[in-house]
Amino acid sequence: SAVISQKPSRDICQRGTSLTIQCQVDSQVTMMFWYRQQPGQSLTLIATANQGSEATYESGFVIDKFPISRPNLTFSTLTVSNMSPEDSSIYLCSWGSLGETQYFGPGTRLLVL
Amino acid sequence: DAKTTQPPSMDCAEGRAANLPCNHSTISGNEYVYWYRQIHSQGPQYIIHGLKNNETNEMASLIITEDRKSSTLILPHATLRDTAVYYCIVYAGNNRKLIWGLGTSLAVNP
Repeated sequence: SAVISQKPSRDICQRGTSLTIQCQVDSQVTMMFWYRQQPGQSLTLIATANQGSEATYESGFVIDKFPISRPNLTFSTLTVSNMSPEDSSIYLCSWGSLGETQYFGPGTRLLVL
Repeated sequence: DAKTTQPPSMDCAEGRAANLPCNHSTISGNEYVYWYRQIHSQGPQYIIHGLKNNETNEMASLIITEDRKSSTLILPHATLRDTAVYYCIVYAGNNRKLIWGLGTSLAVNP
């Protein structure tokens, strides 16, 4: 299966700033996804990153706060905008079909002060 | 999608079999049972999935009861590296999102 990587692996940011997380897959994949995992919680799907069109966001997540790009079939970015301490989480990207086997990146640990 | 119930935590001695239960009493006929695990500070890792028959791969075995209302993930010879949170998910494969619960935190002890 395709290998997936994320950058940065971790970051500490000041409130009010933005951070862009990159996700790279080593072969072309149809669907890529972004998840958030808050401390002590399980995974929550933020959005599906669609190649060549706007991302599909889940309830409770909006494009202004979490803009997503998917310029090609191997790459996607998630930006966490105007950060607050409540955004401190692990952010994960994955690829695969919705509901079928998904393969996850190592995650980005974000701490907002 | 059907909901699942898992014990919050379990312990297992190294070298012994770890048997992780999952209850999914409202599962529908077309829903698969998936298992993932998440080792601390890493992304989730796919383990195995099945519909009605028992399944085995190089990582684990999945035993699904005949009525499909529960299943057990078996790690035949647990090692310290198997310490992780194990998630049981049921899913119909119709492009709807996976619903992740809190899983079972398995501690493998020396």
